[in-house]
Amino acid sequence: QKEVEQDPGPLSVPEGAIVSLNCTYSNSAFQYFMWYRQYSRKGPELLMYTYSSGNKEDGRFTAQVDKSSKYISLFIRDSQPSDSATYLCAMSARFQKLVFGTGTRLLVSP
Amino acid sequence: GAGVSQSPSNKVTEKGKDVELRCDPISGHTALYWYRQSLGQGLEFLIYFQGNSAPDKSGLPSDRFSAERTGGSVSTLTIQRTQQEDSAVYLCASSLVGLAGGSSYNEQFFGPGTRLTVL
Repeated sequence: QKEVEQDPGPLSVPEGAIVSLNCTYSNSAFQYFMWYRQYSRKGPELLMYTYSSGNKEDGRFTAQVDKSSKYISLFIRDSQPSDSATYLCAMSARFQKLVFGTGTRLLVSP
Repeated sequence: GAGVSQSPSNKVTEKGKDVELRCDPISGHTALYWYRQSLGQGLEFLIYFQGNSAPDKSGLPSDRFSAERTGGSVSTLTIQRTQQEDSAVYLCASSLVGLAGGSSYNEQFFGPGTRLTVL
């Protein structure tokens, strides 16, 4: 079993929809949780970072961490075609080594 | 300012050949990381450098893989006697410091990757 599980998708939604992306994990030592966005043929770029449990909001994006359930989520409100990309969750116990999910491919249609 | 750069962007090689992949981190970043991204596998950690030292090499898949970093800057990942299963995108990332400290996060900035194809 992988340390981090993420549905690969693809997830197809119409423009304006609310998108929910999720990851589950097994390592209780993880305390740093990140969401990266990766466009085709590009390197990942950091979207959101959360330390320990809780919620964090940044514009149209909200990240949630529930350590008791070992479950993290990323919500995208008012999705746009430009949000079409692969979204990778990542987590770490001490930063040096990020453990990634496989990524969920999101397609937002106009 | 310049981001993380990697070269070559694409590399096609024959099985059994050696390859070298290069990473130029963001200036001033002391921590450098190599990851591998295979189809359907997500990003897999390979090795972490703090300065020129590699405190964590736990992700290197075999002794055919090695990496070095010189002058606290450029890093080279070398794969000897390449195999078809080595085909992947190799990503490099750098951050200001590598040590965790409380709730602060030292963001890892990724390069565009080198796409390696072993025929």
